[in-house]
Amino acid sequence: GQQLNQSPQSMFIQEGEDVSMNCTSSSIFNTWLWYKQDPGEGPVLLIALYKAGELTSNGRLTAQFGITRKDSFLNISASIPSDVGIYFCAGHRAPADGLTFGKGTHLIIQP
Amino acid sequence: DTAVSQTPKYLVTQMGNDKSIKCEQNLGHDTMYWYKQDSKKFLKIMFSYNNKELIINETVPNRFSPKSPDKAHLNLHINSLELGDSAVYFCASSQVRDRVSSGANVLTFGAGSRLTVL
Repeated sequence: GQQLNQSPQSMFIQEGEDVSMNCTSSSIFNTWLWYKQDPGEGPVLLIALYKAGELTSNGRLTAQFGITRKDSFLNISASIPSDVGIYFCAGHRAPADGLTFGKGTHLIIQP
Repeated sequence: DTAVSQTPKYLVTQMGNDKSIKCEQNLGHDTMYWYKQDSKKFLKIMFSYNNKELIINETVPNRFSPKSPDKAHLNLHINSLELGDSAVYFCASSQVRDRVSSGANVLTFGAGSRLTVL
């Protein structure tokens, strides 16, 4: 089946630092999405990307759809305590496919 | 109003029992999904239904049986529960569109149902 390789698995950072995480796939994806999951909750959409090369921002978050359509990255600038959580990349090749998820990046902010 | 609601949030039961998780969405979406999240937080699709029709059925034991009485509801029934079924089960919904457009094919998730099998 399709697999997404997401890295890093976890990040320990100081408040105020910038964060970068990425996802790669052996297959072409036509949609890339980034979700965040807080403890005890379901994943919540952060950014959706639909075109190769697309760069989209949502506040302090910026994500890009790789030009080869096999990768995507998410950057968070000036991290704050509420950024703590698990970030997932996800994608699908066709609209009728369910989303395939990466294994997540655990973001931990040290005081 | 919760967009995707699933019940119960917590379920603790003995091996061998049968249990159900219910899901409802009020977003008017035509497609609903069940995902399983294991202890390592990996999210894996189990099923999807489009307008009450089964579209995706991943390699899931046939002890798991989804039922969609209408496009706003997708329930999951699990027979003969096993220890390995312990996980968090997420319901989600989306509006499937062939054309790429803002908001297309984005899944909205429920808060999850944590199943513990003893």
